[in-house]
Amino acid sequence: KAGVTQTPRYLIKTRGQQVTLSCSPISGHRSVSWYQQTPGQGLQFLFEYFSETQRNKGNFPGRFSGRQFSNSRSEMNVSTLELGDSALYLCASRSLGERGQETQYFGPGTRLLVL
Amino acid sequence: AQTVTQSQPEMSVQEAETVTLSCTYDTSESDYYLFWYKQPPSRQMILVIRQEAYKQQNATENRFSVNFQKAAKSFSLKISDSQLGDAAMYFCAYRSNPSGTYKYIFGTGTRLKVLA
Repeated sequence: KAGVTQTPRYLIKTRGQQVTLSCSPISGHRSVSWYQQTPGQGLQFLFEYFSETQRNKGNFPGRFSGRQFSNSRSEMNVSTLELGDSALYLCASRSLGERGQETQYFGPGTRLLVL
Repeated sequence: AQTVTQSQPEMSVQEAETVTLSCTYDTSESDYYLFWYKQPPSRQMILVIRQEAYKQQNATENRFSVNFQKAAKSFSLKISDSQLGDAAMYFCAYRSNPSGTYKYIFGTGTRLKVLA
């Protein structure tokens, strides 16, 4: 099976712009989670989608939003970009396994630089 | 709220030696899961090992093993016979009971250097 793919891999934007990142999960996986990774904060959970519904949300401002399509592909949008949004954005997909046996599979990430 | 703390930003180990990475967490829950993830330089993050809180036996995966101390809320990772390919960022992660809450909480990571 193909792994989790994320596009684009690199992005450079300026403050005030908006950006959309895409994630394609492993075939058959219905859950997609998004994380922001920065050197100082580590990985922080943004949100999780399951069957086109946002099921969990982290502590990020409303500028961060997402959606999931019927084919489980997910997009994340950040509006009105700030310098502090520069980070590696990771997507992870997960299959619904037995209790405790599920595994998150991470994509390679999209590195966003805001100037 | 749950927290995960990795107090060692960086560790070094000689090839073929053993190293232990520390992780502590805080939670009021009794049922949860703990994980160690590895992120090699410029490569994707992968799961190294998982531990169910209800299991007393420490998890092992080949050269990787954990020391899970539930009462002390400690979850350390031991890497035996370290190899150059073990060089990476290691993240400790916590996940609540699976009944609807799939939010993972990660520590800030420990960078492991393996010296030849």
